[in-house]
Order: sequence, then C-alpha cells, then structure tokens
Amino acid sequence: GEEVAQTPKHLVRGEGQKAKLYCAPIKGHSYVFWYQQVLKNEFKFLISFQNENVFDETGMPKERFSAKCLPNSPCSLEIQATKLEDSAVYFCASSRLGGRGSYSNQPQHFGDGTRLSIL
Amino acid sequence: AQTVTQSQPEMSVQEAETVTLSCTYDTSENNYYLFWYKQPPSRQMILVIRQEAYKQQNATENRFSVNFQKAAKSFSLKISDSQLGDTAMYFCAFMGLIQGAQKLVFGQGTRLTINP
Repeated sequence: GEEVAQTPKHLVRGEGQKAKLYCAPIKGHSYVFWYQQVLKNEFKFLISFQNENVFDETGMPKERFSAKCLPNSPCSLEIQATKLEDSAVYFCASSRLGGRGSYSNQPQHFGDGTRLSIL
Repeated sequence: AQTVTQSQPEMSVQEAETVTLSCTYDTSENNYYLFWYKQPPSRQMILVIRQEAYKQQNATENRFSVNFQKAAKSFSLKISDSQLGDTAMYFCAFMGLIQGAQKLVFGQGTRLTINP
C-alpha cells in the first residue's frame, strides 16, 4: 500500500496481559521502525528491521518486548505481561533503501499509531 | 550521544502571522539529515520538511522554510502566513549513523496554536 497501516488503532489490556500490535509498511520499503510515544510526547526508539532482519534493537526492553517482520506478513510488536508504564502510542514507520551500504538517507513515513492503554 | 532540543514547549500566534520554531542538536557526525514533523490532534506524524547537512541551501516547502546553521547546530522552522490547520505539535528530528544504524532522534516537541 501507499501508507503505513497500523492495527488496531486502540488496544486496551489489563495489567499482566499480553498486547500485540501490527504494522504493514509501505510496499517497497525495506526498513521498518517502531517508536514509543509516552504521555509527555517524548519519542523513544524501540527497534528497526531491514526486511525481516533485526537491524537495531538497542531501544527494546528485552525482558517483555519482542518484534518480528516475517515475509508476506505484517510486522508485529508484542508485549508480554504488560505494565501500567507501557501505556503509550506506538508508532511504526517505514523507509526505502537509499544511500550507501547499511545507511539509508530516506525519510521515514509514519503510520497513525496504536494507542495502548493498560488498566 | 546525539540529542535534539526544542526550547519552546508552547507557542501561539494569530492567523496569517509568521512564526519560527527553534531546534538545536548535538552531534559529532558530519553527514546527517534533519527533519521537521507535524503531529496534529489526530496524532498522525506528517513530514513537513527535510534538510541534508551537506547542503548549504536552506530547504523550502511552500509556506515552510528552515534556517539551517550547521556550525551553530541550529535548525529552525519558519511558517509563513500561518493557517488554522497549522495548529499541531511540531517535532524536530535528527537522523544519522548512530551506532552504525539509521535512527531518528526527536526533540521534545513544540505545541503550536494558531488563533483566528
């Protein structure tokens, strides 16, 4: 598609439950990024993929967060045993391959986000 | 580590006025990219304008222009003839090679209100 599609738009979970978010990048884009925007509007980088390979996971809380980008499937971000502080808007973005080697100079296009509310 | 600072949490101007949002950043890299994103209440992230660090000419997109001062590490956004639809959060973002991988680093955002 021509837009990054994120589902669901809003997800409500009780503390301790699992949450799974989905992202379909723009067709032809090689990179996928996940960001977390908390209530103070701050963006935190979580993880990026180059096609189905993890590219950078330095922002991921390793204990409960996991992500995948499998061929012919939407990418997913899964949170196990959710906590109250996981409440945030999770954005997915994608970009084309461009530039040299592993460095892409293409802008990132964002989806509309998934608002995760942990009660 | 790269950091991006937006020192104006909130700004408010009258419709049709010109407004400038400030952004400074810190990096030791020479090649990088800078962006301004707009986030209206609908929370979409909309790319407004981008600037390549190796280009001296300031980027312009219709009513939006930037003042890029590489030596000062400053990247301000000017909105001319502001419109009610410009009301939104504006985020300045830096993109470069950070730990060998592309990543966006965002500022804290500036909430801009355009009053009728």
